[in-house]
Amino acid sequence: LAKTTQPISMDSYEGQEVNITCSHNNIATNDYITWYQQFPSQGPRFIIQGYKTKVTNEVASLFIPADRKSSTLSLPRVSLSDTAVYYCLVGAYGGATNKLIFGTGTLLAVQP
Amino acid sequence: ETGVTQSPTHLIKTRGQQVTLRCSSQSGHNTVSWYQQALGQGPQFIFQYYREEENGRGNFPPRFSGLQFPNYSSELNVNALELDDSALYLCASSFGQGGETQYFGPGTRLLVL
Repeated sequence: LAKTTQPISMDSYEGQEVNITCSHNNIATNDYITWYQQFPSQGPRFIIQGYKTKVTNEVASLFIPADRKSSTLSLPRVSLSDTAVYYCLVGAYGGATNKLIFGTGTLLAVQP
Repeated sequence: ETGVTQSPTHLIKTRGQQVTLRCSSQSGHNTVSWYQQALGQGPQFIFQYYREEENGRGNFPPRFSGLQFPNYSSELNVNALELDDSALYLCASSFGQGGETQYFGPGTRLLVL
């Protein structure tokens, strides 16, 4: 499974748009990109998933360039409750084992 | 809420003891994966169960074992507990073994003294 690299931490203020970029230079052809959010002492929560170009849902957007070697999670107008650790993962669908490999994630701190 | 539940929420054990953690998967899901998350780290894959059979294992010793029941709930058993086993244990359920989105429970916090 491809290794991912993302910033250890980011700071933002309420109401701003936050973009977290993840590098995955060794992504394979059949790998998808998935982002999870985790609050302290809780399980990770699925945010968004994509394969290429742009994906948008009710909470976030995911931008994936044509070479797919990186991806950017965009959180519009963050609030204090968006303070959490965000994980970027890549992995293949349809494989024999659905094993998620987490890195250390990005700690997003939203201030008033 | 994901519909995945875990019990107990917290647990304190001493070194050498054995522990059993439980997970009820989301309705309609037949796959359960277990992860260990040490403080300040991302979750690490322990193993996965699909239709009551182990379907993949991470880099954990044999004293970590599991079961999946016909209703797709699951147990994680850890024998001969070590201090380093102190962590948040997470289970995640999904439908199918091939990469569908995993939904995590709230976790069980285990402290080994």
